Amino acid sequence: GNSVTQMEGPVTLSEEAFLTINCTYTATGYPSLFWYVQYPGEGLQLLLKATKADDKGSNKGFEATYRKETTSFHLEKGSVQVSDSAVYFCALRKDSNYQLIWGAGTKLIIKP
Amino acid sequence: EAGVAQSPRYKIIEKRQSVAFWCNPISGHATLYWYQQILGQGPKLLIQFQNNGVVDDSQLPKDRFSAERLKGVDSTLKIQPAKLEDSAVYLCASSLDEGGGRNIQYFGAGTRLSVL
Repeated sequence: GNSVTQMEGPVTLSEEAFLTINCTYTATGYPSLFWYVQYPGEGLQLLLKATKADDKGSNKGFEATYRKETTSFHLEKGSVQVSDSAVYFCALRKDSNYQLIWGAGTKLIIKP
Repeated sequence: EAGVAQSPRYKIIEKRQSVAFWCNPISGHATLYWYQQILGQGPKLLIQFQNNGVVDDSQLPKDRFSAERLKGVDSTLKIQPAKLEDSAVYLCASSLDEGGGRNIQYFGAGTRLSVL
């Protein structure tokens, strides 16, 4: 079946550090892949997406590349800020009914 | 463009009481989703509507949960009677019925339910 696995948190970094949050997936067919972010007290917001192999999604300095050979969609940012502190969710979308399959989320804490 | 509206933001009830949540999706979005998000976990889909019809309610505990989307616009999710394990954030999302990469789910801020 379809599933998403994310690295466990919390991930704690200092400001301006390099960020990687790992995400791997299991799926039939060719799903689209997403990163959503949830800031404290807020709903989920789409951060970036990729719809086919080798696509790179990017937004607000974050990037993720759809790697079919390793079934991965790791989230990266070159220099994190305190305001990036949030919970990050990786998800895949089933093309049959557009439902999202979610990872458990990774809490990111950035210290000044 | 207004986002997905949900109310109330917070609700505290005692077990065995009933509770209802309301969601108004983005205008023109045909598909509406209700999710349950337990602390420390990813969202779990409870029910998916397309217009006023149910697409998938396979994970909805139908003995206590019900949902409706009259007129294909706003929706309500009800729990009756509530159990302690229903404590969670209930998220509503909506999407346009567009194919391919343009089908994006947009989320409301959620309703945080505490069952005591």
